[in-house]
Amino acid sequence: GDSVTQMEGPVTLSEEAFLTINCTYTATGYPSLFWYVQYPGEGLQLLLKATKADDKGSNKGFEATYRKETTSFHLEKGSVQVSDSAVYFCALSPYNQGGKLIFGQGTELSVKP
Amino acid sequence: ETGVTQSPTHLIKTRGQQVTLRCSSQSGHNTVSWYQQALGQGPQFIFQYYREEENGRGNFPPRFSGLQFPNYSSELNVNALELDDSALYLCASSLGLAGGSSYEQYFGPGTRLTVT
Repeated sequence: GDSVTQMEGPVTLSEEAFLTINCTYTATGYPSLFWYVQYPGEGLQLLLKATKADDKGSNKGFEATYRKETTSFHLEKGSVQVSDSAVYFCALSPYNQGGKLIFGQGTELSVKP
Repeated sequence: ETGVTQSPTHLIKTRGQQVTLRCSSQSGHNTVSWYQQALGQGPQFIFQYYREEENGRGNFPPRFSGLQFPNYSSELNVNALELDDSALYLCASSLGLAGGSSYEQYFGPGTRLTVT
């Protein structure tokens, strides 16, 4: 079945460092891909999305490109801030299944000043 | 515009009991999905309701059931609670099924259920 695999955390970075969180997926057809962020004690917030191959989603300095050839959707940010500390989830929505989401296990990011 | 709200925030139940969790969808949204998030894990899809009908179900036993009301709010019911049901239960609403899988889901803050 469809699945998402993320790099394991926790990831600890210094402020202004470059961030990459790897995400690969297995799916039939053409899923939509998402990154969600979860701050401590809160629900999930959509960070960015891409709905077709070669689309680039971006928001708040974060970017991810839908790579069908490598079935990947890696999250990047050029300069992280302490306020970016959170858990990041990669997710896919299978084509034509009403928008249900399949999540990876999450990657915890901790940014130190 | 009111976002997705869930109640209660926290709940403690005993094994074997039954529980009802509630969700109010974002204004204008007619689709509600429920997810279970165990500690340290990603959310797992339980089921989805579209216009008061179940529209898709994940790998959860029948003791997990739900309802959607005419105002599109929703309930998640869990019978015969087990220790492994302890988790954060998330509700998400979206604008509908038309247009394919790219519709964004907006999540509530969740209900933390502890089963002892």
